[in-house]
Amino acid sequence: AQTVTQSQPEMSVQEAETVTLSCTYDTSESDYYLFWYKQPPSRQMILVIRQEAYKQQNATENRFSVNFQKAAKSFSLKISDSQLGDAAMYFCAYRSRVNRDDKIIFGKGTRLHILP
Amino acid sequence: NAGVTQTPKFQVLKTGQSMTLQCAQDMNHEYMSWYRQDPGMGLRLIHYSVGAGITDQGEVPNGYNVSRSTTEDFPLRLLSAAPSQTSVYFCASRRLGSSYEQYFGPGTRLTVT
Repeated sequence: AQTVTQSQPEMSVQEAETVTLSCTYDTSESDYYLFWYKQPPSRQMILVIRQEAYKQQNATENRFSVNFQKAAKSFSLKISDSQLGDAAMYFCAYRSRVNRDDKIIFGKGTRLHILP
Repeated sequence: NAGVTQTPKFQVLKTGQSMTLQCAQDMNHEYMSWYRQDPGMGLRLIHYSVGAGITDQGEVPNGYNVSRSTTEDFPLRLLSAAPSQTSVYFCASRRLGSSYEQYFGPGTRLTVT
């Protein structure tokens, strides 16, 4: 079974600085998706960024980028120029492209604090 | 489009009571699912459905029932509520296959006393 591990329960970063959130996963599959979701205090789950395992190029969305290391099964999220609105829980997630059940497996989350 | 809607937003139950959490989507998505979110545990899959008439168990199905009679609706039933079911519940939906994005509802905070 696949697992997703986020080893940092909480992190803090100064406003305008850069922070990296860590995520590792375990799978025997070669074809899958990886995601980062943001959950602000409103509780709404928001997709931040998505990476397809067959793509070597790291995904980027504005100030958010990932460092995808397939062999190491690592998928970290870098937030540049941190803003107060980035304060939230961040979840790393995995979805197989092979299994027909289409389930998404989430890590336990990292709470990010932005210090003004 | 309203997206994914959930009712109620908040609910307090006594142990042993039953209730149904409602979930609806208007995007014609085949795939719908229910998650529960507990502190320090992330989101865990309860049940999911890949289409009307088809449901299956996720990681933590005990104490919950689901049915999918239409594409739009996917209610979650608690048959006899227990304090261990105190949690925030999220419904989600998306199109099957490929890289379609999953859409989440706003969540239901359930407290069982």
